[in-house]
Amino acid sequence: SQQGEEDPQALSIQEGENATMNCSYKTSINNLQWYRQNSGRGLVHLILIRSNEREKHSGRLRVTLDTSKKSSSLLITASRAADTASYFCATDLNRDDKIIFGKGTRLHILP
Amino acid sequence: ETGVTQTPRHLVMGMTNKKSLKCEQHLGHNAMYWYKQSAKKPLELMFVYNFKEQTENNSVPSRFSPECPNSSHLFLHLHTLQPEDSALYLCASSQQWADYNEQFFGPGTRLTVL
Repeated sequence: SQQGEEDPQALSIQEGENATMNCSYKTSINNLQWYRQNSGRGLVHLILIRSNEREKHSGRLRVTLDTSKKSSSLLITASRAADTASYFCATDLNRDDKIIFGKGTRLHILP
Repeated sequence: ETGVTQTPRHLVMGMTNKKSLKCEQHLGHNAMYWYKQSAKKPLELMFVYNFKEQTENNSVPSRFSPECPNSSHLFLHLHTLQPEDSALYLCASSQQWADYNEQFFGPGTRLTVL
């Protein structure tokens, strides 16, 4: 069953603009992770945020978590062409060690 | 690219063939995973091995048979596959099987079943 769902499914922005992607989930979680996948390649871990954290930063990435709304957002500031990729959130089910990925947001940075 | 390698990178096979996918991790991790990624579907967890023991089999058909001879190597043996099994098969590893552990992915094997 799908736990996390990203929104929007696809996003195109101009280089230099900020990109925001959202993830909503259904059940309580221990933590939430964001991953990036370049076309036809493996996923790369970006950031993990725990259920008791509200915001986390890593370079140009900012992740927020609102457990009351069961949602998270990933903000990429000052986007670059190399940020073109699919972005996935992955959530656990708060009762086992499995993490479940959403369908992802396809981000395209226009030159 | 991240310490996890997969071979072959591309594979085309007929429905009567038998083939194997190989994954190797050089990170000293204890958990390894097989995922299936099909177009427009979420990444599907297939199998998990933790300390060489299979801890998860996500209702995967028996035509997929995993093997984990040691904590660094993971195989996926394929036989009598169907065209709908065509997908990108991703291997991943983590320190151990836990939801808080970052998973490191290989580049994947693009499988086409004719």
